[in-house]
Amino acid sequence: AQSVTQLGSHVSVSEGALVLLRCNYSSSVPPYLFWYVQYPNQGLQLLLKYTTGATLVKGINGFEAEFKKSETSFHLTKPSAHMSDAAEYFCAVSEGQAGTALIFGKGTTLSVSS
Amino acid sequence: DARVTQTPRHKVTEMGQEVTMRCQPILGHNTVFWYRQTMMQGLELLAYFRNRAPLDDSGMPKDRFSAEMPDATLATLKIQPSEPRDSAVYFCASGLRVADTQYFGPGTRLTVL
Repeated sequence: AQSVTQLGSHVSVSEGALVLLRCNYSSSVPPYLFWYVQYPNQGLQLLLKYTTGATLVKGINGFEAEFKKSETSFHLTKPSAHMSDAAEYFCAVSEGQAGTALIFGKGTTLSVSS
Repeated sequence: DARVTQTPRHKVTEMGQEVTMRCQPILGHNTVFWYRQTMMQGLELLAYFRNRAPLDDSGMPKDRFSAEMPDATLATLKIQPSEPRDSAVYFCASGLRVADTQYFGPGTRLTVL
């Protein structure tokens, strides 16, 4: 069975600073990994995903994440935070080939100050 | 721009009343998920369907919740009778495969008084 842990329920950065949101997973088979973003009063929106191939994945709004099998991690980064990045971010994992549904982490709220 | 639609967007009801939430998945998507989101519990998977057949509803309170897909363009989630602890935002999501990308609707915010 798969699981996902997001380290830090709340992260605060200054505008222009590096954003780093941490996600660790466990999976008994090669995982599919996802990052979603949720803005207030909206549904979740896919930022990026990893299934196979290149381990550095680029997503929307300048975000990227790197799949590191040895560290069982899929951390989300953005070089320079914007005020509009303030939202809740969810990491999710599925056992792609096994066809199991996504398991979501508890979320990390990102605050951006000017 | 294909989107998942949910109705109603907001619902306020009294304890004991029946509540029905509806979801229209993206055309062509054959997998539909129902989630509940609260501050305390976060995002919980209630049930999901593939090709209109329920695959897993283990996250759903069986005594009062039911989920169905009358046809490929409509999924419903019913609560009968509703209780104050059911107050939450309910999301529907659809996709092409169970283990791959899910596309979320805007949610139904339910308040049970």
